[in-house]
Parts: sequence; C-alpha cells; structure tokens
Amino acid sequence: GAGVSQSPRYKVAKRGQDVALRCDPISGHVSLFWYQQALGQGPEFLTYFQNEAQLDKSGLPSDRFFAERPEGSVSTLKIQRTQQEDSAVYLCASSIRVSRGTEAFFGQGTRLTVV
Amino acid sequence: KQEVTQIPAALSVPEGENLVLNCSFTDSAIYNLQWFRQDPGKGLTSLLLIQSSQREQTSGRLNASLDKSSGRSTLYIAASQPGDSATYLCAVRRTDSWGKFQFGAGTQVVVTP
Repeated sequence: GAGVSQSPRYKVAKRGQDVALRCDPISGHVSLFWYQQALGQGPEFLTYFQNEAQLDKSGLPSDRFFAERPEGSVSTLKIQRTQQEDSAVYLCASSIRVSRGTEAFFGQGTRLTVV
Repeated sequence: KQEVTQIPAALSVPEGENLVLNCSFTDSAIYNLQWFRQDPGKGLTSLLLIQSSQREQTSGRLNASLDKSSGRSTLYIAASQPGDSATYLCAVRRTDSWGKFQFGAGTQVVVTP
C-alpha cells in the first residue's frame, strides 16, 4: 500500500477484555515500531522489530502487552485483560532500512478506549 | 537520559504571519531529527528529516534548522495559512537501542483567518 495502515481505527473494549491491533507497514520496510500516545502527550516507545525479530521491547508497560511480526511484514499488538489506563492512541511506524538515519512513516493510529 | 522539550506548548497567529516552533534536546548524540504534523484524531505526517550532519532542510514553505551542539532545532513555516493549524511534534532518533524516537509533547498551532 501507499502508507502504513492500521486497523481498527477505533476500538472500545470493556475492562478485562483482550484486544488485538494490526499494523500493515509499507511494503518492503524492514524496521517497525509501536508507540503509545496518551492525550496531549508525545508518543512513547513500546517495541521495535527488525524483520520478524523483536529486538527491543523495553517500552512495553506490563506483561499484558505482547507484540509479534511472524513473517516480517504485518505486526499485531495484543493487550490482554485491558485496563482503563491502557486507553490511548497506538501508533505504528516503519522504515525501509535498519539504518537509524532513514525516515520513519507513521500510520493513522488505533484509538483504544477501555470502559 | 534524552529529554525533548517543545516551546511554546500552544501558539495562535493570524493568517499570513510566519510561524517559529522550537525543539530542544538534552543529549546531542542523535542520528537525526524529524518534524511531524498531527491533525486532531489522526496519525503523524512526516514534514522534514534532518540528519545529524546537516544544518537545515527545506520543503516548500517549511524550513527546519538543526544545531546539534546546542541541542536545538527550529521549524519555520512561512506565510501561515488556516490549513497549517495542527500539532507539530519533533522527534530525535536516538543512537542507542536501534534508534528509537524520543518525542517532544508538541506545539499546538492555530492560524486564524
């Protein structure tokens, strides 16, 4: 596709439910990042993939958060037993190369509301 | 620990005026700095990318400068238009941990007709 695509755009979950958020990066992009953005704040890093390898998951806030990219393209961020503090916009970004100097492109985000 | 600060947090200007947005960072060991635009309820749109070896980048009415030694970047938007109303975020690409981004909190800009 032309850009990074995320689905769903909006998700409302009852507290305790599990959710899965999907990211389709730009075709051929090696690097993939997940970020969490609270209202009125800048995005905060969650995790990073290089192809299918998850090389950094230091930003995942708890063991309820899990991310995967099994074939090195589409990635899924899963949140188990959602809590109200998980309400945020979840952003996915991709870069064409591993090199840290390359431009990153972000998706539209998934707005998660936990009620 | 890298800290990124954007001042002011909010800015309102009449149409036609030039916009000056500031971004400061505490650790000069960066690979690059990227400016983004975010419209309400939307994702991030990349505006300009400046490599650490560069001093400025230009695209149309946008110009971004980078002074790595003093830890500052400035985004200039010439002849502002109501369509420029958005939140502008700067992000530095860190040299550690696979180059993850450290973001500022953003400057919310309103351009009034």
